[in-house]
Amino acid sequence: KQEVTQIPAALSVPEGENLVLNCSFTDSAIYNLQWFRQDPGKGLTSLLLIQSSQREQTSGRLNASLDKSSGRSTLYIAASQPGDSATYLCAVIWYNQGGKLIFGQGTELSVKP
Amino acid sequence: DGGITQSPKYLFRKEGQNVTLSCEQNLNHDAMYWYRQDPGQGLRLIYYSQIVNDFQKGDIAEGYSVSREKKESFPLTVTSAQKNPTAFYLCASSPRPGQATSNQPQHFGDGTRLSIL
Repeated sequence: KQEVTQIPAALSVPEGENLVLNCSFTDSAIYNLQWFRQDPGKGLTSLLLIQSSQREQTSGRLNASLDKSSGRSTLYIAASQPGDSATYLCAVIWYNQGGKLIFGQGTELSVKP
Repeated sequence: DGGITQSPKYLFRKEGQNVTLSCEQNLNHDAMYWYRQDPGQGLRLIYYSQIVNDFQKGDIAEGYSVSREKKESFPLTVTSAQKNPTAFYLCASSPRPGQATSNQPQHFGDGTRLSIL
């Protein structure tokens, strides 16, 4: 079964710290992997999309990596700020699945001032 | 600005009642999706549509129905058969898988929170 797992479920760090969020997935035949941010009571905002042929993507203080062979992706956040506090969701599209996103359960991040 | 609009933001359902959640997009996307989010369970796919007049069941379609009569619109009906409808419902859209532009992220609306009276 194709599944996505995120550990830990929650993370609390002091402001300024660099941090890594983890995502693992079964079945390496992915089409792409996406990282989203969700603020409480809101929809999802796309942060980064890594295509199957890519190893990483960067946007500002965010860097996402992809290792298909080990079924892992990481989201690196540099110099964390209180405004980064949110839930971060990892999602995968596998080939021949109609473009369906399969989501992990998310990591709730709290950055303390 | 292009985007996805979900309405209403909050919805209450009485016992035995069907309710319909609206989702409209002006991104010219072929594919649209409905997800349900429960606390601690992430998002689960209810229904999806890759093109007008066609849709497929997702992982938790029982108790729900959809229609796709227009490219811009993908309403979701929560029927009385759905015994536990209380959740946050999210609509999304993207270019159709297989198209040249398909490696783009799904765009999401701001969600509808459904509760039982």
